Amino acid sequence: KAGVTQTPRYLIKTRGQQVTLSCSPISGHRSVSWYQQTPGQGLQFLFEYFSETQRNKGNFPGRFSGRQFSNSRSEMNVSTLELGDSALYLCASSLYETRAFTDTQYFGPGTRLTVL
Amino acid sequence: DAKTTQPPSMDCAEGRAANLPCNHSTISGNEYVYWYRQIHSQGPQYIIHGLKNNETNEMASLIITEDRKSSTLILPHATLRDTAVYYCIVRPGSGNTGKLIFGQGTTLQVKP
Repeated sequence: KAGVTQTPRYLIKTRGQQVTLSCSPISGHRSVSWYQQTPGQGLQFLFEYFSETQRNKGNFPGRFSGRQFSNSRSEMNVSTLELGDSALYLCASSLYETRAFTDTQYFGPGTRLTVL
Repeated sequence: DAKTTQPPSMDCAEGRAANLPCNHSTISGNEYVYWYRQIHSQGPQYIIHGLKNNETNEMASLIITEDRKSSTLILPHATLRDTAVYYCIVRPGSGNTGKLIFGQGTTLQVKP
């Protein structure tokens, strides 16, 4: 079974631009979460989507947004890019079985965003 | 969410067992202990998880103390490819939230 895929893998943008990152979850997985990783802040939770609805949101400004499609694929968007948005953006998917006691997340390889 | 404490770094000789400790003294009854690792600039890789019983899979063993306030991840025969940052995470079982809270983790250096 294929793992979580993220596109593009690398991206260079300039300040003020906007960017869209894409995530395809493992087949059958219905929940998608996004994380930002920077050297200073480490791995931080951005948001989680299930059934096209945002279930959880981290402490990030409104410039960060996301959505999920009916096939569970997800995109995240960052508008008005700042230098501090340079980071590795990671997507994780999980089954989200309501009867399960816990739910394991599997991560993709990430998208490396550089803002100049 | 319970907080975890891990040593910032550890060394291990190749071929020997690597024992990575984690303290989670405020863990509550329905919270699971998860371990992930991240090899340089790659996405975190799931290793193992447990609630209160010891667990073993093809990658590692997880030993959870009886009071559940600490745990140890054991890599039985460490190789150079096991060099990575290892994260211990506590997350609730009920509610199935997708939010994982990562600490700074333990950087494991496996040496020849």
